[in-house]
Amino acid sequence: AQKITQTQPGMFVQEKEAVTLDCTYDTSDPSYGLFWYKQPSSGEMIFLIYQGSYDQQNATEGRYSLNFQKARKSANLVISASQLGDSAMYFCAMREMDTGFQKLVFGTGTRLLVSP
Amino acid sequence: NAGVTQTPKFQVLKTGQSMTLQCAQDMNHEYMSWYRQDPGMGLRLIHYSVGAGITDQGEVPNGYNVSRSTTEDFPLRLLSAAPSQTSVYFCASSPPTGNGYTFGSGTRLTVV
Repeated sequence: AQKITQTQPGMFVQEKEAVTLDCTYDTSDPSYGLFWYKQPSSGEMIFLIYQGSYDQQNATEGRYSLNFQKARKSANLVISASQLGDSAMYFCAMREMDTGFQKLVFGTGTRLLVSP
Repeated sequence: NAGVTQTPKFQVLKTGQSMTLQCAQDMNHEYMSWYRQDPGMGLRLIHYSVGAGITDQGEVPNGYNVSRSTTEDFPLRLLSAAPSQTSVYFCASSPPTGNGYTFGSGTRLTVV
């Protein structure tokens, strides 16, 4: 069974500081993908960053980077230089690649609040 | 560049009523799926489709039906609405592999 764990219900950070949102996962499948989504108060799911299990380097997208530690089964999201607009819910999700339909399994999310 | 379009954005139903949530994608993705989001529980898979004419159940399928007559459309039907189906519903489409998983903007459904 696959599982995503986000242990931080809420995080606070000051503007311009970096913040790390934790995500651990559990799978026996050697081929999988890890996603981070941002959900602002308006409700849409915004794709941030993706890491494949066979990717050698950590993924980066602008101010977002994914700290992928395969042996520890962790895929933490690092947001550098936080902005007020980063205040939102953040979800980690996993997709296993080997079976027919590769559903996304989500964690319960972390609410990030960025203060001035 | 529409991506995944969901309608309606908001809906209030009375217990026992039926309705259909619409979902359409213009990316020619083979896979489409429906998720529901409840407070504190993340998103959970309701039904999915790997191509026109092929559908299957996800994690929480009870009370919902789907069909996929075309690649573009994947409607979700609530047969007899119950208060437990109050939730936010997301439709998504994706190619068979990779990171191209695109969500619609969501439908907020309240059943009273």
